[in-house]
This record gives sequence, structure tokens and C-alpha cells, in this order.
Amino acid sequence: GESVGLHLPTLSVQEGDNSIINCAYSNSASDYFIWYKQESGKGPQFIIDIRSNMDKRQGQRVTVLLNKTVKHLSLQIAATQPGDSAVYFCAENYDDRGSGNTGKLIFGQGTTLQVKP
Amino acid sequence: DVKVTQSSRYLVKRTGEKVFLECVQDMDHENMFWYRQDPGLGLRLIYFSYDVKMKEKGDIPEGYSVSREKKERFSLILESASTNQTSMYLCASLEGQDTHYEQYFGPGTRLTVT
Repeated sequence: GESVGLHLPTLSVQEGDNSIINCAYSNSASDYFIWYKQESGKGPQFIIDIRSNMDKRQGQRVTVLLNKTVKHLSLQIAATQPGDSAVYFCAENYDDRGSGNTGKLIFGQGTTLQVKP
Repeated sequence: DVKVTQSSRYLVKRTGEKVFLECVQDMDHENMFWYRQDPGLGLRLIYFSYDVKMKEKGDIPEGYSVSREKKERFSLILESASTNQTSMYLCASLEGQDTHYEQYFGPGTRLTVT
């Protein structure tokens, strides 16, 4: 079946540096993508989303880039802080039902971001 | 703020027991989801529900069933727990709009089957 994958299981960065977390998706019909952050002992929390008619979207210290040509998604975190340490998941909305979109998300495997002081 | 609560944070059950995991959301969301999370596998969808008494299988429904009698409550049932169902279980509800599919997650239930 279709899957969403992240390139690296673990990413280690120095505090203050920028972080880039990558994700490859395989379903060209997906039109919505979302990044989640999961801290230890908590459920995933929404960071930012992007629709397929955009190639870039910015939030507070975060930017998501979408390259539909190569089916690639990335999350950039500026000036990484210790509080950014977490597991990051990308997900795509893909619904193969004939009518209506139930909002199903297909998740990648996750990348653990470690921030070194 | 949206709140999704799960009945237990940690649960230990024996093989063969019937297990109920409860999830409640307080935002009148139509859609609710159950996932299991395992290291290296990410989140995998077990079942979801898009209305009261309506349910659909996700990617890994075997060994599970669900119940949605009220809009705010979505239950995951393990009819006869097995050790390979030891996992973190996450419930989510969806603020379903045409352009935004943010799922709100509960804190998770870590289930151990011995």
C-alpha cells in the first residue's frame, strides 16, 4: 500500500542551529500534508499543514516545503531549542472512498530530533 | 481547547482477557480514530468512525473491534488480548473541514499483555 516515509530515524542538532526533517510520500493523489510533534509521554500535536496547491508555508519558527515533482516534504525549524526535542511525524491525507473525505491520515515512521546544548 | 481523553495511561492485561479502551472528546467532532504506535512503524490506523454507530476498518483491524454509541465516545475493544497487541494506543478526533484535517490526539494508553 501507499506509505509515507521519513529519511532518517534520528537527527541530532546543536541548540541554535536550524533543523531540517525530511519526508518522502508515495501517493501522488494526496492533496494535504501535516506535521506532528510528539513529546515523550504525550500524544502527537499539530505543528503545521500544507495543501498540494502550495509549495511553502511558514509558521512560528517552522516552515514546511512541498515538492510535488519528487514527492518530498520537509519541515524546517529555525534556531532549534531544547524544547524542540521530540519525535516528528509527517502525514498525508489520502482517502480512497468514493464519496466524502473522512480525514484519514497516513503517517510516516517518525524522526527523533535530539537537541544538544 | 479541544480535549481528547483516554481512560487509562497504563494498562496491564493477561492473554485472553477482553480489554476496553475508552476515548472521549469534547468538541462535537464527527470523526474519531484509533491508532497503535510501535517503534519504527509510526502510527497505524486500526479503526475509525465518521458518525455515531458508523465505523470503518483501518489498515490493521484484525483482533480489534470498536463501538461508537455516542458522538463523544469511541471505544476500542480487544476481544481476546494477545501479547502481540502490547503497544501504545492513541485515539484522535477530527476537526473536519474541507481544507483542514487536523486530528487531535489523546495522551495514549500503553497496554501490556502478559
